[in-house]
Amino acid sequence: SQQGEEDPQALSIQEGENATMNCSYKTSINNLQWYRQNSGRGLVHLILIRSNEREKHSGRLRVTLDTSKKSSSLLITASRAADTASYFCATGPSVENAGNNRKLIWGLGTSLAVNP
Amino acid sequence: GAGVSQSPRYKVAKRGQDVALRCDPISGHVSLFWYQQALGQGPEFLTYFQNEAQLDKSGLPSDRFFAERPEGSVSTLKIQRTQQEDSAVYLCASSATSGPYNEQFFGPGTRLTVL
Repeated sequence: SQQGEEDPQALSIQEGENATMNCSYKTSINNLQWYRQNSGRGLVHLILIRSNEREKHSGRLRVTLDTSKKSSSLLITASRAADTASYFCATGPSVENAGNNRKLIWGLGTSLAVNP
Repeated sequence: GAGVSQSPRYKVAKRGQDVALRCDPISGHVSLFWYQQALGQGPEFLTYFQNEAQLDKSGLPSDRFFAERPEGSVSTLKIQRTQQEDSAVYLCASSATSGPYNEQFFGPGTRLTVL
């Protein structure tokens, strides 16, 4: 019952390069969030973009959202070996679809490897 | 504590045993979520609490799964008569408010292996 689909499924780059991951979803949303997961720190929230926003920045992260295409992208600039992890997008359903529902629906993730 | 904690971190159960997984959310956080994550997959929603009220349990896979949060803080996920397909990592998350723009803070998870 996962909603999001990230692509690529796996990405391998050299340190210093930029990494771009994409996420598509199916239903109306209230917000879209990106999380990172690695074995050392578990799932960590990176950034949240609301449905009425188109772009958001946080440090080396840039997220875009296109609600007409039901898609989002996560760009990591000047990647580091420590960015090696799995990246997930998760969507919060729109209020008209979900009422008080606050659950996030997750994609399958992109596995990013940054080689030193 | 500073973050969400879960115990045990690892649990091995024989098929048919009952297990109980504990989650200690960040103090004062209103919302609490349980997820199930299979290897190589994203988390799958199980259930959601707002304080002590279980507002959504639509993701619980069967009536063998039961969750509670009686005092609006610590939560327990119980799985009765475990089956091999229950093997997964069970994640707990909490968020500060009940609003829709909720950053969720995750615990390290409990890895359940059913033999």
